Amino acid sequence: SQQGEEDPQALSIQEGENATMNCSYKTSINNLQWYRQNSGRGLVHLILIRSNEREKHSGRLRVTLDTSKKSSSLLITASRAADTASYFCATGSSNTGKLIFGQGTTLQVKP
Amino acid sequence: DAGVIQSPRHEVTEMGQEVTLRCKPISGHDYLFWYRQTMMRGLELLIYFNNNVPIDDSGMPEDRFSAKMPNASFSTLKIQPSEPRDSAVYFCASSPRSDGEKLFFGSGTQLSVL
Repeated sequence: SQQGEEDPQALSIQEGENATMNCSYKTSINNLQWYRQNSGRGLVHLILIRSNEREKHSGRLRVTLDTSKKSSSLLITASRAADTASYFCATGSSNTGKLIFGQGTTLQVKP
Repeated sequence: DAGVIQSPRHEVTEMGQEVTLRCKPISGHDYLFWYRQTMMRGLELLIYFNNNVPIDDSGMPEDRFSAKMPNASFSTLKIQPSEPRDSAVYFCASSPRSDGEKLFFGSGTQLSVL
């Protein structure tokens, strides 16, 4: 069963604009991660935020985590056409070694 | 490091045939995961291993699916007999640690069962 649900399912923006994707989950977590998947490729880890953290930055990426609302957001600033991909949130359980993925957001950045 | 290596990249087979997917994790990673990705169900965790031992196989859909990890550098996922609904992309991933830490994914095997 899916732990995370992402919103929106699809997002289309112009190059240079910011892209925001949201993720909600159901159970307690140890950490939340974001991955990127280009068409026909495997997933690539982008950033990990732990349950005791509220915000994290990596280059043009900014991730927030609100454990009281069981939600996270991924912000990509100054988007580029090369950012076109699917983005997945994944939750690491506090009790198991599992990493459970959401359904993903498909981002299209138009040049 | 070459990363996680999966083979074959593409597999086309007929219903009823046995299919074996292979994975070589990153050296030194103690955890290995098998995921299946479809449009309808997204990414599903099938099974994962710790130090070559299966820890959780609750995601394995049926007895037709089996996975082994005979040593730290090799794992197989076998489907016997295969069915058209098994068509999907199967990913292997490895991680150096537990508690849901960062995963390194292979490029996947695109399986088509006709």
